[in-house]
Amino acid sequence: AQSVAQPEDQVNVAEGNPLTVKCTYSVSGNPYLFWYVQYPNRGLQFLLKYITGDNLVKGSYGFEAEFNKSQTSFHLKKPSALVSDSALYFCAVRDSGNTPLVFGKGTRLSVIA
Amino acid sequence: EAGVAQSPRYKIIEKRQSVAFWCNPISGHATLYWYQQILGQGPKLLIQFQNNGVVDDSQLPKDRFSAERLKGVDSTLKIQPAKLEDSAVYLCASSPVGVPNTEAFFGQGTRLTVV
Repeated sequence: AQSVAQPEDQVNVAEGNPLTVKCTYSVSGNPYLFWYVQYPNRGLQFLLKYITGDNLVKGSYGFEAEFNKSQTSFHLKKPSALVSDSALYFCAVRDSGNTPLVFGKGTRLSVIA
Repeated sequence: EAGVAQSPRYKIIEKRQSVAFWCNPISGHATLYWYQQILGQGPKLLIQFQNNGVVDDSQLPKDRFSAERLKGVDSTLKIQPAKLEDSAVYLCASSPVGVPNTEAFFGQGTRLTVV
């Protein structure tokens, strides 16, 4: 069975500083990894995904994520945080094709001006 | 391109009442998902359809929840009777078939409060 762990319920960072939101995963086959963001009273918005290839994936709004197979991690990063990045971030995994995404419990990011 | 449409956006009902949610996926997306997101938790899959067939409903509480996608396009999720613990956001998502490892596209969700 697939699973995702997001060890931090909340991450606080000052505006302009780099941010990292952590994610580790467990899957039986090759992992397909995703990050989504959720703003208040909104659905989930896709940020980026890792399928294969380059371990550093670039996505929307200046976010990137690094796939590390040996550590089974897929941490979300941004070099310089904005107050508008404050939201709930979800990591998700699937093991193949069109199988459903399995989500972590989410990490609330708060960027302080 | 229009996104995934869901209605209603909000619903408040008393326990033991019934409720239905509607979802219209992105045009041409054969796969449709219903997720339940309880406050403070990540979305949890309830059911997956491909066209009008059920692919996975292993986590759907079938004694009270039902879902259908009769014509392979829009879908309805029903709860009858509702319990307090059903209070959550119900998210619908869709994705195309034949596009390997595509992401799922989510609607804005329906927030259900059971009192």
